[in-house]
Amino acid sequence: AQSVTQLDSHVSVSEGTPVLLRCNYSSSYSPSLFWYVQHPNKGLQLLLKYTSAATLVKGINGFEAEFKKSETSFHLTKPSAHMSDAAEYFCVVSEGDNFNKFYFGSGTKLNVKP
Amino acid sequence: AAGVIQSPRHLIKEKRETATLKCYPIPRHDTVYWYQQGPGQDPQFLISFYEKMQSDKGSIPDRFSAQQFSDYHSELNMSSLELGDSALYFCASSRPDRGGRNTEAFFGQGTRLTVV
Repeated sequence: AQSVTQLDSHVSVSEGTPVLLRCNYSSSYSPSLFWYVQHPNKGLQLLLKYTSAATLVKGINGFEAEFKKSETSFHLTKPSAHMSDAAEYFCVVSEGDNFNKFYFGSGTKLNVKP
Repeated sequence: AAGVIQSPRHLIKEKRETATLKCYPIPRHDTVYWYQQGPGQDPQFLISFYEKMQSDKGSIPDRFSAQQFSDYHSELNMSSLELGDSALYFCASSRPDRGGRNTEAFFGQGTRLTVV
């Protein structure tokens, strides 16, 4: 079975400070992992993805995530938050034996304070 | 680059009416997914199609049906609409790589359905 747990439903940071959004997954097989961002009343945009290549993945807008198999984690980070980063972020897993479904975490709302 | 196109973008229906949502995947993408996102909720998987055949089914009510056509576009048909069906409905498309892995899903902007 596969599942995705986003450990924080809300994260609040000050502009210019680091961002850490946590994601843990469970998967019976070698997973593909993704982070998507959703701005208010907008669709889902892919930030980055891990598909069994390099464990440190760089995405758009300065975000990156590291796949740690031993910890079953895929945390999203950014060195310096910008006001435009305020949005909801979803960690998503697609499992090796079920290529026809993407499993969403419950989302983390990121608030960036001036 | 072409993206996933959903139509209509907004739809208002009354209870017990029917609605049809359309999704046009990215060219050469053979897999289509439908998701429902209620207010303040994360997207819930409804159903997916691969090469015009249903490939997986999630929490899709019996009142809903969907299909993928020969040109790979998909339609989600919703009947006997209820107030609780009000949500943002996303369609996504993907094309597995040679190893069968989903490299990523490209999402449309969604159709916002309001049932009154």
